[in-house]
This record gives sequence, C-alpha cells and structure tokens, in this order.
Amino acid sequence: KQEVTQIPAALSVPEGENLVLNCSFTDSAIYNLQWFRQDPGKGLTSLLLIQSSQREQTSGRLNASLDKSSGRSTLYIAASQPGDSATYLCAVNTGFQKLVFGTGTRLLVSP
Amino acid sequence: NAGVMQNPRHLVRRRGQEARLRCSPMKGHSHVYWYRQLPEEGLKFMVYLQKENIIDESGMPKERFSAEFPKEGPSILRIQQVVRGDSAAYFCASSSDSVQFFGPGTRLTVL
Repeated sequence: KQEVTQIPAALSVPEGENLVLNCSFTDSAIYNLQWFRQDPGKGLTSLLLIQSSQREQTSGRLNASLDKSSGRSTLYIAASQPGDSATYLCAVNTGFQKLVFGTGTRLLVSP
Repeated sequence: NAGVMQNPRHLVRRRGQEARLRCSPMKGHSHVYWYRQLPEEGLKFMVYLQKENIIDESGMPKERFSAEFPKEGPSILRIQQVVRGDSAAYFCASSSDSVQFFGPGTRLTVL
C-alpha cells in the first residue's frame, strides 16, 4: 500500500529565504508525482507535475525533483514571498488513476 | 475553457438528512474522481468514475455513500443519513488522461 509522508509538517521562514519541502513515498512504482498548493478554505492548485521518467521540473521560482529509486521528491522554492504562504501537498499517481496524498507542509513566509 | 465546477460550495445538513454534491468536469474530460479531506487530514481518494461506470470505489465507505456519473449532466456524490463525522471538504477532479484538475470543493457541515 502506497504511503506518502511530507516533512516538515509546518515551516516558518522570513521573506527572501530559499526553502525545501520534502516528500517521501513507500512504493517506487509510480506513474507520476504532483505538487499542489492549497490556500485556507480553498481548492487545490497544481504547481508541478513530474512524470516517472523525469528527474525534475521547473516553473518560475519553483523546482521539483524526483528520485524514484529512493522514493523521494523535493520542492524547492527560491526567494520566498509572503504570497507563497499556503499548504503544499505532494501526491503520487500509482497508475491506477487514484492520487495518494501526503498530509502537507504548512508554509508561512513572514514579511 | 472553464475549470472543474462544484456546487454547492458550502452545504449544511442536520444529522439524518441527505447531502448531494455535484461536480461538472472540464470540457472534454471523461474521468471524474472524488476525494475527501477531513479536518486536519490529507485528501483521501473515494471513487473514480467514467461516464455511466464506476471504475474504482475502493475508498468509498461501505454504507450511505454512493456516486454516479450519468451520460448527461454532472457527477453526483450522495451521502444518505449524514452524521457529524461526514463533515469535511469534498473535492472533485477530472482528467482526460493521467493529469487530474481539481475543483474548488464542497464544504459539508453536519449539525
């Protein structure tokens, strides 16, 4: 059974810092992995999708890496801003059309 | 191209009543997924449907919950005889392939 863990559960940083969010999964047989952002009381916004054959994806200040063999993904956020404050969710697609989510990292970026 | 639509956005029910949650997928998407997010927990897969077929309902509670995706119209998640423990955010996603796009969610409160 696939399990997804995210560390840390919460993170508080001053504006401008670079930061790394971690995601680990127990079964390396995945189809793809997605990082989402969720604002309080809102839906999910997809940030980056990494296919199982890829090592990383970049979008603006965001970079996500994937190491399937070790069951890890990281989301790197450069030059953090207060508007980046949200919960970040990692989700693994097992290939059976269901996403398995981690419990998220709550990020607070202070001005 | 409108995104995934869910309604209502907020729903309040008393114990024992029925709740009906609607999801209209993105245009051209024939796959619909329902996820539940309990307070302070991650999103959990409930059910995966294609038009007129339930493909995977392994995450659905055995009683009181049902889902459909008819040939015409939105997908419906139906909860009969709601209990306080059903209070949660229910998210719908749709896809045409492996990438799922999420709606804003329906927040169900059971009094």
